[in-house]
Amino acid sequence: DAGVTQSPTHLIKTRGQQVTLRCSPKSGHDTVSWYQQALGQGPQFIFQYYEEEERQRGNFPDRFSGHQFPNYSSELNVNALLLGDSALYLCASSPTGSPGGYEQFFGPGTRLTVL
Amino acid sequence: RKEVEQDPGPFNVPEGATVAFNCTYSNSASQSFFWYRQDCRKEPKLLMSVYSSGNEDGRFTAQLNRASQYISLLIRDSKLSDSATYLCVVTSNAGNMLTFGGGTRLMVKP
Repeated sequence: DAGVTQSPTHLIKTRGQQVTLRCSPKSGHDTVSWYQQALGQGPQFIFQYYEEEERQRGNFPDRFSGHQFPNYSSELNVNALLLGDSALYLCASSPTGSPGGYEQFFGPGTRLTVL
Repeated sequence: RKEVEQDPGPFNVPEGATVAFNCTYSNSASQSFFWYRQDCRKEPKLLMSVYSSGNEDGRFTAQLNRASQYISLLIRDSKLSDSATYLCVVTSNAGNMLTFGGGTRLMVKP
């Protein structure tokens, strides 16, 4: 059973560019959440997708957008990249309608460097 | 003030030692509580859930004090393999958005 997968593993972009990160959830999971983890800090919630809609959003600007596909996979898009967007981007999946008590399974992350 | 606060450490302990980590959270509406473990340059993985009655999993014991909004993790008989960053995590009643503390780094030395 494949866990959560993310692509690419690493990415280098320059300021002002746009980036798309991809995530495939664990088998049987239909809810996908995205987190940003800056160096030396804990992950910060960006948003969550369920039934192809954004269900909840953290304190991130509109430059951060996402999408969920019918097969539950998801994309995170970041426009007009800033140096401060350099971070590890983590995708986490969880099962249907899971309340706060369910475990979220994390993918290995995409390490984004903005120059 | 951060919503979930932890001492960043590092905690440097010898093998076999007992070490305790603490965490405080500011949102009294928080519903669920967890400890995650994160190895260097890897993804976070759930270590254990935390209940008001306290819970134990082998060498690990977690405790929640809702009145003080305080969570603890105790590791007994530390192993070299316990070296990692331990993340305190809470969720609100709004759903399963995880709110992480900054993490506490543990280094277990021979």
